[in-house]
Amino acid sequence: GENVEQHPSTLSVQEGDSAVIKCTYSDSASNYFPWYKQELGKGPQLIIDIRSNVGEKKDQRIAVTLNKTAKHFSLHITETQPEDSAVYFCAAPDNYGQNFVFGPGTRLSVLP
Amino acid sequence: DAGVTQSPTHLIKTRGQQVTLRCSPISGHKSVSWYQQVLGQGPQFIFQYYEKEERGRGNFPDRFSARQFPNYSSELNVNALLLGDSALYLCASSLGPIANTGELFFGEGSRLTVL
Repeated sequence: GENVEQHPSTLSVQEGDSAVIKCTYSDSASNYFPWYKQELGKGPQLIIDIRSNVGEKKDQRIAVTLNKTAKHFSLHITETQPEDSAVYFCAAPDNYGQNFVFGPGTRLSVLP
Repeated sequence: DAGVTQSPTHLIKTRGQQVTLRCSPISGHKSVSWYQQVLGQGPQFIFQYYEKEERGRGNFPDRFSARQFPNYSSELNVNALLLGDSALYLCASSLGPIANTGELFFGEGSRLTVL
């Protein structure tokens, strides 16, 4: 089945700096890759996603890049703010495309 | 617009008991998925229902069961609770059954503690 790995597991940055989180997946047939942000005590919230027909997508301070050949995709957050502190999860569809396999998560701390 | 709503938000049970968790999807969404999230880990797929039919089942024991009602709401049942069932149970809704086609929207979850 699909296997999703995510690095790093924890990341601390100074406010205003950039943060990058990387995920790798195993199923070359996967073609949709979402990123979720989970704040303490809340459910995961979709923040950005990318489909396999594009290599990059941006939404204000957040961007996602996809390398299908290497089977990895990355979340980029620029000009980080304290409210960006949360746990971030990447995901990829399973082999049957009926559910998502999630990475183990990255705890991002933005230090003021 | 209302998002995915789950109830109860918190509950405490003892080993051997049974629990029922409820979920209402976003209006217009016909697919509901259930995920288990153990503290410090990513969500793990339990079930998906679409148009009241089970479309997928994760690697969970038969003690876990679910169903979807005609109004597309869903219930997750867990029998004979074990300490290891303590987790945040997340419900997610989507327009259709196929993960490749689009977004999954999560509720705030039901936090189950088994003592």
